[in-house]
Amino acid sequence: QQPVQSPQAVILREGEDAVINCSSSKALYSVHWYRQKHGEAPVFLMILLKGGEQKGHEKISASFNEKKQQSSLYLTASQLSYSGTYFCGTENVAAGKSTFGDGTTLTVKP
Amino acid sequence: KAGVTQTPRYLIKTRGQQVTLSCSPISGHRSVSWYQQTPGQGLQFLFEYFSETQRNKGNFPGRFSGRQFSNSRSEMNVSTLELGDSALYLCASLPHTSGEQFFGPGTRLTVL
Repeated sequence: QQPVQSPQAVILREGEDAVINCSSSKALYSVHWYRQKHGEAPVFLMILLKGGEQKGHEKISASFNEKKQQSSLYLTASQLSYSGTYFCGTENVAAGKSTFGDGTTLTVKP
Repeated sequence: KAGVTQTPRYLIKTRGQQVTLSCSPISGHRSVSWYQQTPGQGLQFLFEYFSETQRNKGNFPGRFSGRQFSNSRSEMNVSTLELGDSALYLCASLPHTSGEQFFGPGTRLTVL
């Protein structure tokens, strides 16, 4: 069962912050985040393996709450280059395979 | 290190035909996963191969099949194409069986 991402879309001005959430009904052992720009392949951002662990990539960070089976991606002081569709991928104990959410489209305007 | 390569990049077929797509993973990566991406449907998992064995399969009809060779290169085949098969097909390679995935540029298949 695929994870659920929210919101589906968000529009920001440069310098503003955003949070993208990813939740699953299955017990997870890892969450990974990707960004895909229009016409390009998804690019790996980060992976979270432990409950509550936060990782960072430039001004993008993420947390993983293993108990709540949720992960959040935090984009601070957004830049034009952050525009794209963000996907979370989850690996659960039962399935052992990666399942992706439907994506969150982020648009950063000047 | 060279990235994941997929061939062909674009393909136009007609209904009823079959198609074979190829994916060469990053050197040293033994796991390859395939995804179908359509607007509004996100990334739908097709199957995953590791060391020439299919480890997982998504919820796609039997018309979709794949295989992996001893050099880790993978192919996927779609027989009896339908209009709904039009999509971007992405393959991703992994150094192991889990973790971060490195995606190729995809093959855009159009079925007329």
